[in-house]
Amino acid sequence: GAVVSQHPSWVICKSGTSVKIECRSLDFQATTMFWYRQFPKQSLMLMATSNEGSKATYEQGVEKDKFLINHASLTLSTLTVTSAHPEDSSFYICSATDAAVQYFGAGTRLSVL
Amino acid sequence: GENVEQHPSTLSVQEGDSAVIKCTYSDSASNYFPWYKQELGKGPQLIIDIRSNVGEKKDQRIAVTLNKTAKHFSLHITETQPEDSAVYFCAASSDYKLSFGAGTTVTVRA
Repeated sequence: GAVVSQHPSWVICKSGTSVKIECRSLDFQATTMFWYRQFPKQSLMLMATSNEGSKATYEQGVEKDKFLINHASLTLSTLTVTSAHPEDSSFYICSATDAAVQYFGAGTRLSVL
Repeated sequence: GENVEQHPSTLSVQEGDSAVIKCTYSDSASNYFPWYKQELGKGPQLIIDIRSNVGEKKDQRIAVTLNKTAKHFSLHITETQPEDSAVYFCAASSDYKLSFGAGTTVTVRA
């Protein structure tokens, strides 16, 4: 089956620093990848849609200058949380599409001190 | 936009019994309905999906049914096992983007 790798699985950073999260499709090429945010005991909230070679499309209310997305190849998308603050602490999950089916990474737990 | 409602929010079943989770959607253009299982601290795992040209799909102990007229779809898990304990999410899509339900926490009692 389609495998999506997400790294790191857990990161702790100081307030004001930036953190980069990588999402890779290991055995397929993904034209489209998605980035989600999930709060405890809640559903997945779509942050942005990432298309290879073009600018990401952000959902309403998501700051594009704070959450920088790059999708430079068909197998890699990155999410950079810039100038992170404690309220950015959350579980971030990426997904990649293969034949219109979304497969998810294992998620990244971000804790901002 | 699409609105997906999921019920129940929690479900406790005895090992070996069946579990049923129901979802409704609002957008008649939705044509793809996946179900994901999420264990604590992990990403969602696709367990089964169905497209609008099919009314039912089964994979071993898991089955999904779709009623396009009523705009609802359901997940059925038979012969539940402790490892089925997790949060289950339904979703609906018409254009690659998924709209998720709120999730159902399933607990299988041994």
